[in-house]
Amino acid sequence: DTGVSQDPRHKITKRGQNVTFRCDPISEHNRLYWYRQTLGQGPEFLTYFQNEAQLEKSRLLSDRFSAERPKGSFSTLEIQRTEQGDSAMYLCASRWSSGGVHNEQFFGPGTRLTVL
Amino acid sequence: DQQVKQNSPSLSVQEGRISILNCDYTNSMFDYFLWYKKYPAEGPTFLISISSIKDKNEDGRFTVFLNKSAKHLSLHIVPSQPGDSAVYFCANDMRFGAGTRLTVKP
Repeated sequence: DTGVSQDPRHKITKRGQNVTFRCDPISEHNRLYWYRQTLGQGPEFLTYFQNEAQLEKSRLLSDRFSAERPKGSFSTLEIQRTEQGDSAMYLCASRWSSGGVHNEQFFGPGTRLTVL
Repeated sequence: DQQVKQNSPSLSVQEGRISILNCDYTNSMFDYFLWYKKYPAEGPTFLISISSIKDKNEDGRFTVFLNKSAKHLSLHIVPSQPGDSAVYFCANDMRFGAGTRLTVKP
């Protein structure tokens, strides 16, 4: 399977703990996105990378959230000192971007986080 | 500030009839829109897109219409099939609407 993969698929943690999620994009894609989705809402943009550079972060993104894409391939999203409000589905997506060409994003299956 | 809006959380239609899903946007600078479909326990998958230089794009049973003066687009599915039952998201790049859950009844 050469699609976008995410690990783990489910994570249950206690409030105050740190969690880290991994995303492996489609190999030839230079852009990688992280989203958060809660019940009844669409994916909410968190941040994105072009290769290893983090180009944009949502203004709503708490400083407890950090993301990396060290070699321009896989990415990790870490949440420190988790809160119950962090419970959500975390989606990763990737695409190839070249100049002004518009194309679709390919999404992974998501990581469902539950904070107790 | 939400810039892509889907105001109908759900829609139910009979198999074989037309499904019309609506989306509004606030920024007239948006030049490209996409529709994604999402099944439970899966990530969204791309369905169809439209550029602002067009007012219609068709792909099989799926047609997207863009009305730039009204800042409105719609997705038409004809004929609707039970397998089309899913949540549909309208998006512009990284901005997604809240989604519309479509149920197609046999």
